[in-house]
Amino acid sequence: EIVMTQSPATLSVSPGERATLSCRASQSVSSNLAWYQQKPGQAPRLLIYGASTRATGIPARFSGSGSGTEFTLTISSLQSEDFAVYYCQQYNNWPLPYTFGQGTKLEIK
Amino acid sequence: QVQLVQSGAEVKKPGASVKVSCKASGYTFTGYYMHWVRQAPGQGLEWMGWINPNSGGTNYAQKFQGRVTMTRDTSISTAYMELSRLRSDDTAVYYCARAYCTNGVCYTGVFDYWGQGTLVTVSS
Repeated sequence: EIVMTQSPATLSVSPGERATLSCRASQSVSSNLAWYQQKPGQAPRLLIYGASTRATGIPARFSGSGSGTEFTLTISSLQSEDFAVYYCQQYNNWPLPYTFGQGTKLEIK
Repeated sequence: QVQLVQSGAEVKKPGASVKVSCKASGYTFTGYYMHWVRQAPGQGLEWMGWINPNSGGTNYAQKFQGRVTMTRDTSISTAYMELSRLRSDDTAVYYCARAYCTNGVCYTGVFDYWGQGTLVTVSS
């Protein structure tokens, strides 16, 4: 199975600053990469798919980039509601299963 | 609006089975694959498999092959996930999640709407 590795495990950033989260795949997933945000006690929320396309209703401060094995999620100017755990997920149909990274916790500095 | 409403929390003994339901509303149930994803306490997300509500076809992660069964009842727009031979490490929140479709293209492995989650606790 494809192993997804996120870094750092925890990122401390001040409101208004930029946050950059990384995700690496153990083999190429092309652009079949999604990002999700999860807050405590809630289900994940889809942010980005196709490595760089924002899902419906996602603010423009969220952007994704990368292809192959290296991906980045950037939040340009952090708002209070952005502090959460972020997961990357690859969705190559071969080989299954779809797999998630272990998450990056974005906390207030 | 799209909603996925799951059944309530369950407590099961090791070796038992659990069946979680996911009732969909606000869209055409048969038009979108439904996935199941679980999250152990304080841990990350783990994909379990999908069901095509239109055909009933399924695809399970190898880890769960032989223990998981995904079914649906189109008459009531509900998907089900049954996990058997439960172990303590099956304790988790189980989510149903709909596959994402936009502009006529469906991304089988991308999940836009999620249920609220069902906590399954396995304990003797």
